[in-house]
Amino acid sequence: GEDVEQSLFLSVREGDSSVINCTYTDSSSTYLYWYKQEPGAGLQLLTYIFSNMDMKQDQRLTVLLNKKDKHLSLRIADTQTGDSAIYFCAERPNTGNQFYFGTGTSLTVIP
Amino acid sequence: NAGVTQTPKFQVLKTGQSMTLQCAQDMNHNSMYWYRQDPGMGLRLIYYSASEGTTDKGEVPNGYNVSRLNKREFSLRLESAAPSQTSVYFCASRGWDQPQHFGDGTRLSIL
Repeated sequence: GEDVEQSLFLSVREGDSSVINCTYTDSSSTYLYWYKQEPGAGLQLLTYIFSNMDMKQDQRLTVLLNKKDKHLSLRIADTQTGDSAIYFCAERPNTGNQFYFGTGTSLTVIP
Repeated sequence: NAGVTQTPKFQVLKTGQSMTLQCAQDMNHNSMYWYRQDPGMGLRLIYYSASEGTTDKGEVPNGYNVSRLNKREFSLRLESAAPSQTSVYFCASRGWDQPQHFGDGTRLSIL
């Protein structure tokens, strides 16, 4: 299967930008997703990008994709305490049904 | 719309007991999935059903069985629970070429 990797922890100060990184393997044509999980809850879809795109912006969220390095990042501008959560990166090859998740990055926002 | 509904939300079992986790979606999605989430390991796919009438093993299927009862419902059964199956279980569904939508999870403890 695919291998999706993320760092486990990130701390930022309220008002700063957060950048959460993810690397994935293989698949020339793939969908890449960012999910947010708050304590005790399920995963909530934040945004996703197809591998023929370099960037996608949605309000405070910016997704950047470097296909050459198979590197995906999620930037959260003006990070708020409500952004504290676990963020999961996931990949789904275009021809498949399975999703491959990273271990999740726990974001802590310091007031 | 309720989205993806999982029952029960919490359950405590004794080793060797059996139980079925229920999942239902009201979005007319073809594909449904069962994951387990353990600390530091992200989400691991147990089984999935690409369409009504089909099921396939994921990364960690041992000790589990599934039934795609109809298009709406996908159940996960533990025949003889073991402490290693203590986890949070998530059900997800998706339409064709769409992201997954997740339920709120079932927190299962096996003593």
